[in-house]
Amino acid sequence: KAGVTQTPRYLIKTRGQQVTLSCSPISGHRSVSWYQQTPGQGLQFLFEYFSETQRNKGNFPGRFSGRQFSNSRSEMNVSTLELGDSALYLCASRLGQGPYNEQFFGPGTRLTVL
Amino acid sequence: KNQVEQSPQSLIILEGKNCTLQCNYTVSPFSNLRWYKQDTGRGPVSLTIMTFSENTKSNGRYTATLDADTKQSSLHITASQLSDSASYICVVSANQAGTALIFGKGTTLSVSS
Repeated sequence: KAGVTQTPRYLIKTRGQQVTLSCSPISGHRSVSWYQQTPGQGLQFLFEYFSETQRNKGNFPGRFSGRQFSNSRSEMNVSTLELGDSALYLCASRLGQGPYNEQFFGPGTRLTVL
Repeated sequence: KNQVEQSPQSLIILEGKNCTLQCNYTVSPFSNLRWYKQDTGRGPVSLTIMTFSENTKSNGRYTATLDADTKQSSLHITASQLSDSASYICVVSANQAGTALIFGKGTTLSVSS
């Protein structure tokens, strides 16, 4: 079974631009979560989607948004990029909601904002 | 405030040696605690998960312990290998849905030959 895939793997943008990242979950997984990882803050939860609905949201500004499609694939969008948005963005999928449903992470998209 | 703190921040050990990583948390309510291993350039991979009632959980050479009274967990790695070089992240779930995840900043382990 294929794992979680994320595209692109690397991205370079300039301040003020916007970016869209894509995540394809493991087949059959309906929950997709997004995380931002930086050396200083570690992993921080952005949001989770389940059956095309945002179920939870972390403490990030409205410039960060996402959506999930009927095939469970998800996209994350960051508008008006800032230097501080440079990070590794990780997507994770799981079969369903519930504390013991293990999350499987993708390899991440490395975003650099210049 | 819900927090997860890990120590040490980084660690260097010789191949074949054992080591223990620490995780202290102030998370309420507590649902479960996971340890993840993250290799450079890859996403985290779950090693163990423990609930409130579990004290120990093993996964090969990795053994996690949990003391819910003192809110401490440890990850013990036995007979370390070069492939153990990675970041180890402690994650506590603060609700039954498993969605309120509080992440530690991780311990970077380097195993040298």
